[in-house]
Amino acid sequence: DVKVTQSSRYLVKRTGEKVFLECVQDMDHENMFWYRQDPGLGLRLIYFSYDVKMKEKGDIPEGYSVSREKKERFSLILESASTNQTSMYLCASSLRGIGYGYTFGSGTRLTVV
Amino acid sequence: GENVEQHPSTLSVQEGDSAVIKCTYSDSASNYFPWYKQELGKRPQLIIDIRSNVGEKKDQRIAVTLNKTAKHFSLHITETQPEDSAVYFCAASSSPYSGAGSYQLTFGKGTKLSVIP
Repeated sequence: DVKVTQSSRYLVKRTGEKVFLECVQDMDHENMFWYRQDPGLGLRLIYFSYDVKMKEKGDIPEGYSVSREKKERFSLILESASTNQTSMYLCASSLRGIGYGYTFGSGTRLTVV
Repeated sequence: GENVEQHPSTLSVQEGDSAVIKCTYSDSASNYFPWYKQELGKRPQLIIDIRSNVGEKKDQRIAVTLNKTAKHFSLHITETQPEDSAVYFCAASSSPYSGAGSYQLTFGKGTKLSVIP
């Protein structure tokens, strides 16, 4: 079974902390994505990567960075966590090219206090 | 960039009735339109998709229609059941990075469907 695994289901961090969210896929997918999901706002793209060491900004990249050193792993970094980054974070992956749907991870519920 | 509008935001239907969710998109170059279902506390999962060279696609009780001229597409669920209760997201693809072979999906804000037994 195809899998996208996010390292934590729930996280609680303090304001100002550096936070790492990890995502690993075992499907040899080229594309990987980070979205945040908030009530009433749907899924908003933070960053995506279409190859190792490649990254592209999405719609809401401010306050975030990413790292993709290996094909199967895509990390989201909150350089200095703030309360407005409290959210559900979803990782997804897909094959390259049009017509391939995403496979999502189970999500990480991050609370910044 | 692409913009996807989804309506309605909430929808309640009686079990056995049909449900229709509509989406519009802005980028005429978009050519792939998937639908995802997210049950409470679970990950979004692809339930059906359609490419721009097809006008309609069916899979048992669900169907998707696409009108490229009007730039809108719809999800139809017939004979609804309580297990259809979930949040549904439409999406449209765009390929902002020519040569990379990559694409990204822009999602609608979701429709919370409640099927009343």
